[in-house]
Amino acid sequence: DAGVIQSPRHEVTEMGQEVTLRCKPISGHNSLFWYRQTMMRGLELLIYFNNNVPIDDSGMPEDRFSAKMPNASFSTLKIQPSEPRDSAVYFCASSLKGTQYFGPGTRLTVL
Amino acid sequence: AQTVTQSQPEMSVQEAETVTLSCTYDTSESDYYLFWYKQPPSRQMILVIRQEAYKQQNATENRFSVNFQKAAKSFSLKISDSQLGDAAMYFCAYGDGGATNKLIFGTGTLLAVQP
Repeated sequence: DAGVIQSPRHEVTEMGQEVTLRCKPISGHNSLFWYRQTMMRGLELLIYFNNNVPIDDSGMPEDRFSAKMPNASFSTLKIQPSEPRDSAVYFCASSLKGTQYFGPGTRLTVL
Repeated sequence: AQTVTQSQPEMSVQEAETVTLSCTYDTSESDYYLFWYKQPPSRQMILVIRQEAYKQQNATENRFSVNFQKAAKSFSLKISDSQLGDAAMYFCAYGDGGATNKLIFGTGTLLAVQP
């Protein structure tokens, strides 16, 4: 299995631009998680889906952030408009029966 | 609510020696999972080892083993014959047994391996 796939691996953008991060979970996994990691705040859970349905988005920092999972093979995390404080590494993870497997992450830099 | 505590922000070990990383957790559940994840400088989060709470036998993966003390709510990671590639941040995590598949992470222990 290819594991969890994230794209892009690196993204540099300017403040105010829209950013879309993409994730392909491991085939057969029924849960998908989006995390953000920074030095100051550590690893934060933003949102997670079970069977493509958003279950808990209480970690989404504000309305500028949105996430979708249109099917079992694909999810997006969108930031619009982006701000410098959104700079972080964003991880996607998928899970089956309790064990989460992480993608390589997207390093986002907002100038 | 469940919590996970890693009381050692940083640890250091000599190459080929053994080191133990500590983790304690709090829960009122009887069925759950515990994990150790490794995050090297590449930032990839890598699953090291997993323990089911109902199993009394401690999990082992090659040079990595755990000491799971359910009554004490303790879950330490032992790394034997440490290698330079073991240098990383190590996160302990608690899972609710698949009810939600969510994990609660500790704050991490940064392990340095000295040649």
